Amino acid sequence: DGGITQSPKYLFRKEGQNVTLSCEQNLNHDAMYWYRQDPGQGLRLIYYSQIVNDFQKGDIAEGYSVSREKKESFPLTVTSAQKNPTAFYLCASSTTGGSSQPQHFGDGTRLSIL
Amino acid sequence: SQQGEEDPQALSIQEGENATMNCSYKTSINNLQWYRQNSGRGLVHLILIRSNEREKHSGRLRVTLDTSKKSSSLLITASRAADTASYFCATAPNTGFQKLVFGTGTRLLVSP
Repeated sequence: DGGITQSPKYLFRKEGQNVTLSCEQNLNHDAMYWYRQDPGQGLRLIYYSQIVNDFQKGDIAEGYSVSREKKESFPLTVTSAQKNPTAFYLCASSTTGGSSQPQHFGDGTRLSIL
Repeated sequence: SQQGEEDPQALSIQEGENATMNCSYKTSINNLQWYRQNSGRGLVHLILIRSNEREKHSGRLRVTLDTSKKSSSLLITASRAADTASYFCATAPNTGFQKLVFGTGTRLLVSP
C-alpha cells in the first residue's frame, strides 16, 4: 500500500539537543511538507519542497532544518535553537507543489522535552 | 497566519443526526479543502471544492462554497460514532505559492 511513514511515533529531546524526524513516502509525489500542530490549533507550515534538492521556508521555519536528497525522503531536524519544540509534527505530500491537489499525511511524531 | 476559521469549535450530536460545520476565510481562494483528523493521527483528505463550484457531494458528505460570503460548510448526514474526529478546512489563496492555510478545526463527537 502506498503511503507516508513517519518515525518515530514519540520522541523526547533533551535541552541543547538536535533531533531528526523521519518522513518517507512511496506515492511518487513530487512535493512534500512539514507542519507543526499545537493543542487545539490548526497546522502551521514549517518547510516545503516542490522537487528534489529544493526546499523553501514556510511560516515558522526558525529553529528547524530540512533536506530533500531523495524524492521519497524529507527529514526534519529540530535544532536546539527551537525553544518551544513540544508539538505534534505532521509530514504530508502531494503529486505536485502548490495547493491544487489534496495532501496525504503521515500519522505524525509527537515531540516532547525531557 | 490562519485564514480559515471553523464554527462551531465543538459539536456534540447523537448517531443518526446530521452535523454541520462552517468555515469562513478572508482572502480570495483557488480552492477550499476539508480534512478529518482522528485523535493522535494524521489528517485525511475528504473533499476539494474549487472556487468556481458551489456544491460538491461525496457519500454522506456535502460541501458548499459561497465565495461572495467567503464561507463554506461541511454537512455530514446520518452521523455515525466513527465520524467522531476533528474537521479542518484548508484554503488555497489565489496568490503566490498557493500553500494551504488550515483553520483551527471543529471537534465533532457522535454518541451512540
